[in-house]
Amino acid sequence: SQQGEEDPQALSIQEGENATMNCSYKTSINNLQWYRQNSGRGLVHLILIRSNEREKHSGRLRVTLDTSKKSSSLLITASRAADTASYFCATDQGNYGQNFVFGPGTRLSVLP
Amino acid sequence: DVKVTQSSRYLVKRTGEKVFLECVQDMDHENMFWYRQDPGLGLRLIYFSYDVKMKEKGDIPEGYSVSREKKERFSLILESASTNQTSMYLCASSFSGTGEETQYFGPGTRLLVL
Repeated sequence: SQQGEEDPQALSIQEGENATMNCSYKTSINNLQWYRQNSGRGLVHLILIRSNEREKHSGRLRVTLDTSKKSSSLLITASRAADTASYFCATDQGNYGQNFVFGPGTRLSVLP
Repeated sequence: DVKVTQSSRYLVKRTGEKVFLECVQDMDHENMFWYRQDPGLGLRLIYFSYDVKMKEKGDIPEGYSVSREKKERFSLILESASTNQTSMYLCASSFSGTGEETQYFGPGTRLLVL
């Protein structure tokens, strides 16, 4: 079952612009994570936000979480060509379980 | 640095063959996972294991089995490969018990079944 659903499916921006990706989920969660995948490679963890947090920053990344709307957004500021990748949100389904559910991802292209 | 390695980056097999995909992690993680990734569908969990010799079915276990005889190694087995199992297979591992487990992924194995 698809818990996380990213939006948009694909995004193309110019270098220097900001990129915003959204994730919606269905059930309650304890935390939500964002991962990045470069083409043909494994996923790399970017940031985790707990259900009692509303916003979190890490370098050029800003994540927000709205549990009332069951949604999260990932903002990448001052994007670079190296940010070109697919971005996935993952939710723990609220059971502190070991396994997460990943959405289909947003494919970001940053043009030089 | 956590390292998760997968036995092959690319694999070509024939329909009906038995296929073994191996995953090894070097961080003493309790949890290990096998996903398949298909365009437009994201990652789908096949099986996971939270301890040696323990396994749990994920969302799409049909046609697959797994083995975890040692803590660092988690194998995915396709008993009789079929063309609809052509996919990218990703292995991941994580610690257990924190409630905030981050998954560490291997580079993936792209399997083509002819």
